[in-house]
Amino acid sequence: AQKVTQAQTEISVVEKEDVTLDCVYETRDTTYYLFWYKQPPSGELVFLIRRNSFDEQNEISGRYSWNFQKSTSSFNFTITASQVVDSAVYFCALTGVYNFNKFYFGSGTKLNVKP
Amino acid sequence: GAVVSQHPSRVICKSGTSVKIECRSLDFQATTMFWYRQFPKKSLMLMATSNEGSKATYEQGVEKDKFLINHASLTLSTLTVTSAHPEDSSFYICSALARTPLETQYFGPGTRLLVL
Repeated sequence: AQKVTQAQTEISVVEKEDVTLDCVYETRDTTYYLFWYKQPPSGELVFLIRRNSFDEQNEISGRYSWNFQKSTSSFNFTITASQVVDSAVYFCALTGVYNFNKFYFGSGTKLNVKP
Repeated sequence: GAVVSQHPSRVICKSGTSVKIECRSLDFQATTMFWYRQFPKKSLMLMATSNEGSKATYEQGVEKDKFLINHASLTLSTLTVTSAHPEDSSFYICSALARTPLETQYFGPGTRLLVL
């Protein structure tokens, strides 16, 4: 079965704190893609990252970093020195390489960054 | 980056009426588009896959006669909620599949539907 679990429903931090959003997935596919999207209050989904299951290298983009651990089926997302503008709902998603149309979204984690 | 638009962004209608939502890929051709539904504080649920020139593929539990999908061109897919009822009130999001340079879904800004 394909499934994405984001156990953290809501997280509140104070500005400049680091925060990690957890994502655990289940899949029968040997090759797959993992994504993170940001959904601000406006509702529009903003693409953050896509990771191929072949590539386990961690990635850093500015204040954002991602830790892909295939052994534990996790794809965690860390925001360093959080800012108020980071407040949003963050979704982790999974799709198969050979069935790309089927996106499996986690339930989302709402991040509140307080000044 | 690729841009996908939706129109309208917000719509309020009376129960029993039909509502059409448009999804357009603005700077790329999309043979495949997707329609999602999101309830408040919930995740996105795939409703159907829209393929240009053929019938849409609906997910289990989605009424095809209720949610009519037409993929009329390589840049436009429409979702019509027929005989809308209050329980159809939701946030509807479309996405378009871009195949180059990487296969990625780009999401539209969403349409908030309120059925009174």
